[in-house]
Amino acid sequence: AQSVTQLDSQVPVFEEAPVELRCNYSSSVSVYLFWYVQYPNQGLQLLLKYLSGSTLVKGINGFEAEFNKSQTSFHLRKPSVHISDTAEYFCAVSGLYGGYNKLIFGAGTRLAVHP
Amino acid sequence: EADIYQTPRYLVIGTGKKITLECSQTMGHDKMYWYQQDPGMELHLIHYSYGVNSTEKGDLSSESTVSRIRTEHFPLTLESARPSHTSQYLCASSLPGEETQYFGPGTRLLVL
Repeated sequence: AQSVTQLDSQVPVFEEAPVELRCNYSSSVSVYLFWYVQYPNQGLQLLLKYLSGSTLVKGINGFEAEFNKSQTSFHLRKPSVHISDTAEYFCAVSGLYGGYNKLIFGAGTRLAVHP
Repeated sequence: EADIYQTPRYLVIGTGKKITLECSQTMGHDKMYWYQQDPGMELHLIHYSYGVNSTEKGDLSSESTVSRIRTEHFPLTLESARPSHTSQYLCASSLPGEETQYFGPGTRLLVL
């Protein structure tokens, strides 16, 4: 069965500090990987995605993620966070399951940036 | 970036009422999806559509129904709302062959 595990439900961090949000997945098929951000009372916004090619993917707002196939991980990083980065972050995996394309989400990581 | 809209954004309604949550997109995407998200939890797919007159149930069992009469429109209906239906409902769309899904702002539903 396919699954996505976000290892931290909450990550508190001070402003301007670096942050890493961890994501591991399990799948027996080729996958595409995504990070979405959800600000309070809003829908999901795509941060970045890995489809193929370079394993280091750069996204919006200064975020980047690295696909590690051997460790089945897709951790999200930012070298210096801002207060405005406070939000819920979802890792997701997409693949062909049971005949249709499916997006499976992790439980989310709440990033709280403190001044 | 896809333009995808959901109305209403917030809805408080009594038990037993019939409700329809609207979702529209202007990008001509063939694929559309409905997810249910409880607070602090992951998203669960409840319905999807690959095009006009195509609707399928997702992973999470839901008492809601959907229709796809027009490409741009994918409404979700609850015939008789119950408190257990209280949740956030997110609509998404994507192009055929493209893995990226674009999300609307969501509808927060509270059933009293």
